[in-house]
Amino acid sequence: DTAVSQTPKYLVTQMGNDKSIKCEQNLGHDTMYWYKQDSKKFLKIMFSYNNKELIINETVPNRFSPKSPDKAHLNLHINSLELGDSAVYFCASSPGGAHYGYTFGSGTRLTVV
Amino acid sequence: GENVEQHPSTLSVQEGDSAVIKCTYSDSASNYFPWYKQELGKRPQLIIDIRSNVGEKKDQRIAVTLNKTAKHFSLHITETQPEDSAVYFCASQGGSEKLVFGKGTKLTVNP
Repeated sequence: DTAVSQTPKYLVTQMGNDKSIKCEQNLGHDTMYWYKQDSKKFLKIMFSYNNKELIINETVPNRFSPKSPDKAHLNLHINSLELGDSAVYFCASSPGGAHYGYTFGSGTRLTVV
Repeated sequence: GENVEQHPSTLSVQEGDSAVIKCTYSDSASNYFPWYKQELGKRPQLIIDIRSNVGEKKDQRIAVTLNKTAKHFSLHITETQPEDSAVYFCASQGGSEKLVFGKGTKLTVNP
């Protein structure tokens, strides 16, 4: 059983398109995150949800909109894709609160052409 | 804002040697420091962590040390093996619960 699963694993799309990435966790965790890993491998937080509520929203363009229908799911919708959006997007979850590491999903490699 | 500096960015060692990766954090409120290993094309995976009330923690060949006064923490890998080759990330967590990651160290263990 995969603890944190993301779909799709690969996504190739043209500039200007709208796309979504889905994430689900079966760990019973309260908090979920989206991280972006660029070509230099830098991991930067984008959003965090705790029990369906947005708690962290870093400086991310409005074209990115997260949605959490329940605490086990956190989806990411991206409008009007740009070349610079090409990256690997990781979903992660944690029990919430301090002193807990994250469990990452397998990542979605987004390529905008 | 919170910042984590990680050094070196690349590290090459011979099999059997030790490897040390160092991180410095800026937020005095940080109290949790995990380390992640990311193999090529894979997800980051937690390998060891340390909390602010502890100075050192070991797990077989890996150990982490923390100096809260200097805001430094380090990862030590002894008797390195080729399968230790990966990118290693340090991270710190303060009151906001988010993990702030260092920029990673690419470790290569040469047979």
